[in-house]
Amino acid sequence: DAGITQSPRHKVTETGTPVTLRCHQTENHRYMYWYRQDPGHGLRLIHYSYGVKDTDKGEVSDGYSVSRSKTEDFLLTLESATSSQTSVYFCAIRGGGRGPTYTQYFGPGTRLTVL
Amino acid sequence: AQTVTQSQPEMSVQEAETVTLSCTYDTSESDYYLFWYKQPPSRQMILVIRQEAYKQQNATENRFSVNFQKAAKSFSLKISDSQLGDAAMYFCAYRSGGGGSQGNLIFGKGTKLSVKP
Repeated sequence: DAGITQSPRHKVTETGTPVTLRCHQTENHRYMYWYRQDPGHGLRLIHYSYGVKDTDKGEVSDGYSVSRSKTEDFLLTLESATSSQTSVYFCAIRGGGRGPTYTQYFGPGTRLTVL
Repeated sequence: AQTVTQSQPEMSVQEAETVTLSCTYDTSESDYYLFWYKQPPSRQMILVIRQEAYKQQNATENRFSVNFQKAAKSFSLKISDSQLGDAAMYFCAYRSGGGGSQGNLIFGKGTKLSVKP
């Protein structure tokens, strides 16, 4: 199993509060991703990183920011949480190159509830 | 833009029987990868099988195999000898063979598979 952890695993917060989710990997992979999963939508990409301090937006990036100051950590921040951001958040990683290293492996997910 | 469609929101299979989950995709690219991920009630996303578009041979992993029809842009998953532990949500995903943002996964909406004892 790929060494990916997410913290916290569950969080309940109130509208308007800041929230930071952490993804930590032990694989030294270059690429890291944040997705959200909602019923009827599958997984949708929020932001991704292709190296330390190198990030870019995904399909549903509004209301989210990310940072990557170390290879192993990728942080997702909700500056002011809203109820529409209630979701399950997944981190994923992949290596570079072709073949199996192109495969993304996922963390265990974080369930976030915004009241 | 690429899209992935899973037309079966739910499916059911009897234990020990065979079931096929459908997936179609739309792309103008020739170099890409396709994946099936399984998500059991534990919520963990687990890679089931992957297929490189340049390979004509269909991928297999034990009881799981795919029927990859490149011209038809179809990528179905066959589960043989279904087991109770196969009950899960299954997601089909596409990624371009290129680097950068072209390498991001595009997911279908999923098929929920139930296995009856």
